[in-house]
Amino acid sequence: AQSVAQPEDQVNVAEGNPLTVKCTYSVSGNPYLFWYVQYPNRGLQFLLKYITGDNLVKGSYGFEAEFNKSQTSFHLKKPSALVSDSALYFCAVRGQSGTYKYIFGTGTRLKVLA
Amino acid sequence: GAGVSQSPRYKVAKRGQDVALRCDPISGHVSLFWYQQALGQGPEFLTYFQNEAQLDKSGLPSDRFFAERPEGSVSTLKIQRTQQEDSAVYLCASSLAGGRGGSNQPQHFGDGTRLSIL
Repeated sequence: AQSVAQPEDQVNVAEGNPLTVKCTYSVSGNPYLFWYVQYPNRGLQFLLKYITGDNLVKGSYGFEAEFNKSQTSFHLKKPSALVSDSALYFCAVRGQSGTYKYIFGTGTRLKVLA
Repeated sequence: GAGVSQSPRYKVAKRGQDVALRCDPISGHVSLFWYQQALGQGPEFLTYFQNEAQLDKSGLPSDRFFAERPEGSVSTLKIQRTQQEDSAVYLCASSLAGGRGGSNQPQHFGDGTRLSIL
C-alpha cells in the first residue's frame, strides 16, 4: 500500500537560514512525488515534482527537493528561508501503476522567525 | 476565472440534511479530484473523474457520498443524511491531462468548502 510520512509536525527556522522539511514514502514501483504548500483558508499550491531523471528537483519560490531512492525520501529544501515561507507543507505520492489515487502526508507547519 | 472555483465557501447544515458542493475546474482540464481534509490533517482522496467518467471512487467513505461530472466540466459532490463526522473541508482539484499521462501533472486546487454539521 502507498503511504507518505512527514515526521515533523512543525519546523522552526530563523530567516536567512536553510530549511529542510522531511518526507519519506512507501510505494510499489517507481513513485511520482510532489510537494504542495497551503496558506490559511486556501487550497494547496503546487511547488515541485519528481517523476524521473535528476534527483535534485527545482521548483517555485526557490524551493528544491532531493529524491533519494535508497532512503525512500523526498525532502524539501531551501537555501535561505523567508518569513513569507511560513505555511503548511504537504508531501504527496502516487504510484506509477494502477490507482489514480494520490496519498498526502499529514503536513508540516513551517515557521520562519524574523 | 483562471483558477478552480468552489462554492459555497462555507456550509452549515443540521445532521440528517443533504448537502451539495460544487466545483468549477479550470477550463479544458480533463482530470478532476475530490478530497476531504479534516482539521490538522492532509487531504484524503475521495474520487477521481476523467472527463465525465468516474474512474476511481475508492475513497468515498460511505454510500451517502455521491459525486458526478455529467458534462465533463463542473462537478458536484453530494452528501446525503449528513453526520457530524462529515464536518471537514472538501477540496476539489483539476489537472490538464487524464489517465496515466496525467498522473505526473500538478493538481490545481480550489480554496475548498468548509462543511460544518451541527
